[in-house]
Amino acid sequence: QKEVEQDPGPLSVPEGAIVSLNCTYSNSAFQYFMWYRQYSRKGPELLMYTYSSGNKEDGRFTAQVDKSSKYISLFIRDSQPSDSATYLCAFRDTGNQFYFGTGTSLTVIP
Amino acid sequence: EPEVTQTPSHQVTQMGQEVILRCVPISNHLYFYWYRQILGQKVEFLVSFYNNEISEKSEIFDDQFSVERPDGSNFTLKIRSTKLEDSAMYFCASSWQETQYFGPGTRLLVL
Repeated sequence: QKEVEQDPGPLSVPEGAIVSLNCTYSNSAFQYFMWYRQYSRKGPELLMYTYSSGNKEDGRFTAQVDKSSKYISLFIRDSQPSDSATYLCAFRDTGNQFYFGTGTSLTVIP
Repeated sequence: EPEVTQTPSHQVTQMGQEVILRCVPISNHLYFYWYRQILGQKVEFLVSFYNNEISEKSEIFDDQFSVERPDGSNFTLKIRSTKLEDSAMYFCASSWQETQYFGPGTRLLVL
């Protein structure tokens, strides 16, 4: 079983839709949960960061963590064409090592 | 806004040659990282560096890789004898607390 599983998509939604992106993980040592956005030919950009189960909101973005199910989600409300990018889930273990998902490609159609 | 910079943006080398990838982290950051992303694949952690020494490294980071902070600003990744499979995008990142900032990457092509 892979440590991190993320549906690669591609995901295509109309402008204004709610987007749900998900990752599952198997490593109980993962303590920190992150979502990154990566535009083509650019480095990943940190969107959200959390270390506890529950929801964390930042503008149109909500990160959700369920440690008992080893499942994290990112919700994007009122999606915009500028949200079109690849979204990566990432995890940090107790030893400061980071693990990334394969990324989900999102296109928001105007 | 401060940012992580990387040079060169592209590097082409022959198999067996040594390459050095350079990064300038954000100035007040304390943790430094190198990642690799092979085309179409996930971002892979290589190594983290803190207080002038390696704090964590992955299985990918074998003896052909080394990192160095030769002065107060630069952070380098050296690949001693490049292989075809080292062709990838290499990202440097730095962080102060939990927020990690990535550079734009160096695209390495080994022929």
